[in-house]
Amino acid sequence: GAVVSQHPSRVICKSGTSVKIECRSLDFQATTMFWYRQFPKQSLMLMATSNEGSKATYEQGVEKDKFLINHASLTLSTLTVTSAHPEDSSFYICSVGGTGVGTEAFFGQGTRLTVV
Amino acid sequence: AQSVSQHNHHVILSEAASLELGCNYSYGGTVNLFWYVQYPGQHLQLLLKYFSGDPLVKGIKGFEAEFIKSKFSFNLRKPSVQWSDTAEYFCAVKGNNRLAFGKGNQVVVIP
Repeated sequence: GAVVSQHPSRVICKSGTSVKIECRSLDFQATTMFWYRQFPKQSLMLMATSNEGSKATYEQGVEKDKFLINHASLTLSTLTVTSAHPEDSSFYICSVGGTGVGTEAFFGQGTRLTVV
Repeated sequence: AQSVSQHNHHVILSEAASLELGCNYSYGGTVNLFWYVQYPGQHLQLLLKYFSGDPLVKGIKGFEAEFIKSKFSFNLRKPSVQWSDTAEYFCAVKGNNRLAFGKGNQVVVIP
């Protein structure tokens, strides 16, 4: 299966600052990557679909100006949380693959963001 | 859009006990079904999947799941758990190219 690497695995930032999270597909050329958010004891919620070379598609209720997504190459997508607030503290996970019928998704190890 | 329900968020059991985790979904079309596991500090890993064919699927580490279409269910089972099965388990349903997850089951196996 595909190997997906996220960086950093943990980050603490001050309110009002921006944080960038990287998602790399190490052995799989991904025209599409997915960003999820997971709250404690909750399911993974899809935030957006990152499309290589074009704009990301955001889920309803997700602020695109707050969560900036860039997918500049087939192996890298970035999620930038802008002007972070404590309520943005969460676990963010990216995935690749699984877009076709009968295919599975592969996940990064996640990034724990804490905004203080 | 599809939704996925997992009950009993916390499950505690002893080694050698049997495990069954329920998963129900709502979606009217063709679905692909998955169970993922997340061990402490690690990323989500695929346990097993169902796309078509035999509704009883076998995955890694002795896990199996049965797709019952009439009940919209895809329950996960393992006859005899080990301490190393302590993890969080997520059921996921893909429909219309969108993957939806349940809230997960936190399973703790006591040696």
